[in-house]
Formats: sequence, structure tokens, C-alpha cells
Amino acid sequence: QSVLTQAPSVSGAPGQRVTISCTGRRSNIGAGYDVHWYQQLPGTAPKLLFSGNNYRPSGVPERFSGSKSGTSASLDITRLQAEDEADYYCQCFDSSLSGPVFGGGTKLTVL
Amino acid sequence: EVQLVESGGGLVPPGGSVRLSCAASGFTLSAFWMSWVRQAPGKGLEWVANINQDGSAKHSIVSMKGRFTISRDNAKNSLYLEVNSLSVEDTAVYYCAREASSGLVSGYDNWGQGTLVTVSS
Repeated sequence: QSVLTQAPSVSGAPGQRVTISCTGRRSNIGAGYDVHWYQQLPGTAPKLLFSGNNYRPSGVPERFSGSKSGTSASLDITRLQAEDEADYYCQCFDSSLSGPVFGGGTKLTVL
Repeated sequence: EVQLVESGGGLVPPGGSVRLSCAASGFTLSAFWMSWVRQAPGKGLEWVANINQDGSAKHSIVSMKGRFTISRDNAKNSLYLEVNSLSVEDTAVYYCAREASSGLVSGYDNWGQGTLVTVSS
């Protein structure tokens, strides 16, 4: 079981907005550490989508954005497109484990 | 263009060892912390170890009980991971990843394509 909890799956129709949640603890997200989000397309390596409060790597559409509140974080994807179908992972440092931890991943299906 | 290319994976018997390599190009390796992250088949991501710019600071996942050794050779633009006492639970794709900033709180802004280690008799 992952230290960061994500729903196994989420779905949405093209053009809609979806939110992927990541629930942590006081030792990770709740301690104020940055949360990072990755997209993993089938058969490929993960790709950084969003970091911390407002860092989006060049080339990542503004449709992807992250936020954090308390011990939880969220990735919002607006104007959903077919190519957004992928697995999404959150990641954060955990002080009790003294290392980075990942969520279990959420599979996004575009209907 | 930043490129990370892993190698060294393959079929390894239980109890054996493997040394993975990651060749870096398109950036100055010596300026970045680097990490190894693994992914078991059909499973999620798991951080394994990281190392600072000159190799003087290393961290690895506590639960691995010292079986993982990370190292680097900046002159050869290479990162390494040695794994000992392999078990079937170590079967995974092993990715090398560049840390966007310093240390354990950072995200990973560039990843290699991964190398598959299969532990089986």
C-alpha cells in the first residue's frame, strides 16, 4: 500500500475537466513539502507535469495544473483530450521514511 | 537535448547481483543530483536511491536493507546502481532520473527509457 493514496481510476469525456487526488500525511504533504505530478503514457517513462505551487515544465500544456491543501494535493486537467489517457502519479518527500514516496497511480480513461 | 540511457538489465538468478548503468548526455551531469526509480510490472513507481553532484552524499530506501549501491563517474557522464541479493520482488524496470533541484524533496525532470531486470531461476 502506497504512502500517498490515489484513486485507481478516473474518467472523463473529451473537453471535460477531471481532478486527480493524492492524499498524504502530516509527514509528507501536510509537512509542506512540494508535490510533483507525472504522466506515464503506456509503455513509456514517466514525464514531469507539474511541481510545487506553480512549476510547469516547458512543453506541458497549461491545461495541467496542481494544487495542495492540508494533507492532500490535486492535479486538474481541463479540456480533456484523447492523448491525455495515461497513468498519473503524485510524489512527495516523507520525513518519517526519509525519502521520496509516490502515490499508487491513477489511470485516466478518456471516454 | 537531455538524454538518459540505461543499460545492464536482463535475466538474473535469485541471490545474484546486477550493475545498471545510465549514460547521460545533453547536459552537465556534474551539476545535478541523480536518482534511480523502479517500477515492477503493472505496478507503481518506487524511489530507490539518489546521489549528489560529486558523489559525496547518497541516500537509499531504508527498506532495501543496504542492498542498493548508487555511484557516479562524472568524467564518464555515467550513473550506476548495483543491486545485491536479488529476489523476485526486485523484478522491475529501473529508471535513472535527473532531479530538478537538490536533494530528496525534488521532482524528476528527465527520465531514461528504463532497463528491465528480471529475477528468475
